[in-house]
Amino acid sequence: DTGVSQDPRHKITKRGQNVTFRCDPISEHNRLYWYRQTLGQGPEFLTYFQNEAQLEKSRLLSDRFSAERPKGSFSTLEIQRTEQGDSAMYLCASSPPQWRVEGNTIYFGEGSWLTVV
Amino acid sequence: DAKTTQPNSMESNEEEPVHLPCNHSTISGTDYIHWYRQLPSQGPEYVIHGLTSNVNNRMASLAIAEDRKSSTLILHRATLRDAAVYYCIPGNTGFQKLVFGTGTRLLVSP
Repeated sequence: DTGVSQDPRHKITKRGQNVTFRCDPISEHNRLYWYRQTLGQGPEFLTYFQNEAQLEKSRLLSDRFSAERPKGSFSTLEIQRTEQGDSAMYLCASSPPQWRVEGNTIYFGEGSWLTVV
Repeated sequence: DAKTTQPNSMESNEEEPVHLPCNHSTISGTDYIHWYRQLPSQGPEYVIHGLTSNVNNRMASLAIAEDRKSSTLILHRATLRDAAVYYCIPGNTGFQKLVFGTGTRLLVSP
């Protein structure tokens, strides 16, 4: 399977613990996104990378959240001191360079479900 | 970001055509209209996008109003697998993110 890969798919953690999600984008996709989705709502944008540079961050991304893409390939999203309100599905997505035929298409992974108890 | 208005839900029978409307009256002249769908417990997937002319692909057709203030996603023959939430999203070619609304939940009955 050559789609966007996310790990772990499910995570249950106690309030106050730190969690980290990993995303492997489609090969040669230089753009990478993180979204968060709660039940009944559409995905909400969190942050965007072009190669290794983090170009945009949503106000939703509080200081407890940090995302990295150190070599412009895989990315991690870490949540420190988790709260019950962080329970959601965290979606990673990637897209090819804009000049490519599919440059207007974003490809999503299947998401990482987080439950904070 | 252009605001969109979509019905909360729609119902269809299997093998019948489905027309999913979207109003985007504040769309800018350079915004494409993207449609994504999300099947239960999965991430969103691309369906189709267009700028001015109607577009067809193997999944669906997109009919864009002449004034571009509305569009309609057309599924020619709905299947049970088409049951999903469908999102209409305006965005320009240089977009850096998709802004999702709440979409239309499509229910398909056998």
